[in-house]
Amino acid sequence: DAGVIQSPRHEVTEMGQEVTLRCKPISGHNSLFWYRQTMMRGLELLIYFNNNVPIDDSGMPEDRFSAKMPNASFSTLKIQPSEPRDSAVYFCASRLRDTEAFFGQGTRLTVV
Amino acid sequence: AQKVTQAQTEISVVEKEDVTLDCVYETRDTTYYLFWYKQPPSGELVFLIRRNSFDEQNEISGRYSWNFQKSTSSFNFTITASQVVDSAVYFCALSESPSGGYQKVTFGTGTKLQVIP
Repeated sequence: DAGVIQSPRHEVTEMGQEVTLRCKPISGHNSLFWYRQTMMRGLELLIYFNNNVPIDDSGMPEDRFSAKMPNASFSTLKIQPSEPRDSAVYFCASRLRDTEAFFGQGTRLTVV
Repeated sequence: AQKVTQAQTEISVVEKEDVTLDCVYETRDTTYYLFWYKQPPSGELVFLIRRNSFDEQNEISGRYSWNFQKSTSSFNFTITASQVVDSAVYFCALSESPSGGYQKVTFGTGTKLQVIP
């Protein structure tokens, strides 16, 4: 298996633009997580899905953030409009129940 | 609510020294899982170990060992004879396992380990 695949690896965008981050989880995994990592706040859980259904989005910072999982093999995290304070590394992870989570390589987002 | 505390923000040791990274957790569930991950300077998150709440046996894997104590809600990680390649940020994480419920994974704030040659 190729593991969790995230794209793009790097994204530089201007403030106010829409940004879409993509994630392909490991086949067969039934939970998917989006995390954000910054120096100030560490690794924060933004949202997680179970069987494609959003379970807890209490970590989503604002209405500018939205996440979808239209099927078991794909998820997106969208920021619209983006702001400089959204600059961070965004990780996607997937897991089976009672096992460890496997992480993608992350997307480094820079909003200028 | 589940919570993980890693009180040590940064640790520096000289190569070949032993070092222990502390992890304290909070949970109301009787069934849960604990994890350690390593994040080297390259940035990826690498899984190291998983432990379930019913297995308090300590584990050793090469120079790495883990001490799980439910009485103190701790899951500490020791690196013996540290090496420069061990320099990384180490995260402890917790996942509750409510019967039929959902399992989110909560991470601690991480401990940055620097091994000085």
